[in-house]
Amino acid sequence: DTEVTQTPKHLVMGMTNKKSLKCEQHMGHRAMYWYKQKAKKPPELMFVYSYEKLSINESVPSRFSPECPNSSLLNLHLHALQPEDSALYLCASSQDRGMGLKDTQYFGPGTRLTVL
Amino acid sequence: AQTVTQSQPEMSVQEAETVTLSCTYDTSESNYYLFWYKQPPSRQMILVIRQEAYKQQNATENRFSVNFQKAAKSFSLKISDSQLGDTAMYFCAFMDQTGANNLFFGTGTRLTVIP
Repeated sequence: DTEVTQTPKHLVMGMTNKKSLKCEQHMGHRAMYWYKQKAKKPPELMFVYSYEKLSINESVPSRFSPECPNSSLLNLHLHALQPEDSALYLCASSQDRGMGLKDTQYFGPGTRLTVL
Repeated sequence: AQTVTQSQPEMSVQEAETVTLSCTYDTSESNYYLFWYKQPPSRQMILVIRQEAYKQQNATENRFSVNFQKAAKSFSLKISDSQLGDTAMYFCAFMDQTGANNLFFGTGTRLTVIP
């Protein structure tokens, strides 16, 4: 089973709203990722969690706030977003092979976010 | 820094024919993984095939196979007996096994299978 689930599929929010994206996996993976993908572009890494600890933050604005409550769940809290933040947000997970090395990443279906 | 180059922004192929997508990469590492991911209009990023750099044998998955040329830093994807469901954006990706261990994507090739 290589399933990563994401909710919601679509989200429309105003610039003053607070919303959250959710990602879940039950493959026993200990590394989880958030990516942002603009149309016709490759995904851009935002955050990496390893063993529920934030290990990489790719200089993402503070209006994006990640959270990893447990090894299966990853959230992305959104607040005061800008229209340019509209994009597809992808979650991924992978095995951690030890010594900080990651294995193949498996992606969820994404959340299409529109900021008005 | 690692870079991944896909020089074919768009390609098309007749149904049942064979097509090859190109990918080159640049790295000073000797141990790494290479991937092809497929992203159809439904948006889900799906793993197509994976190659470990230390393995000389080219990976295959049913109709999908790769031509891995380590010295030339080339990693092409061959799709045989193309099907309409193969229509998608294809991303080549590189992951080193040291340092940040992140996934680096190419810019993608949009493949259209024509009935």
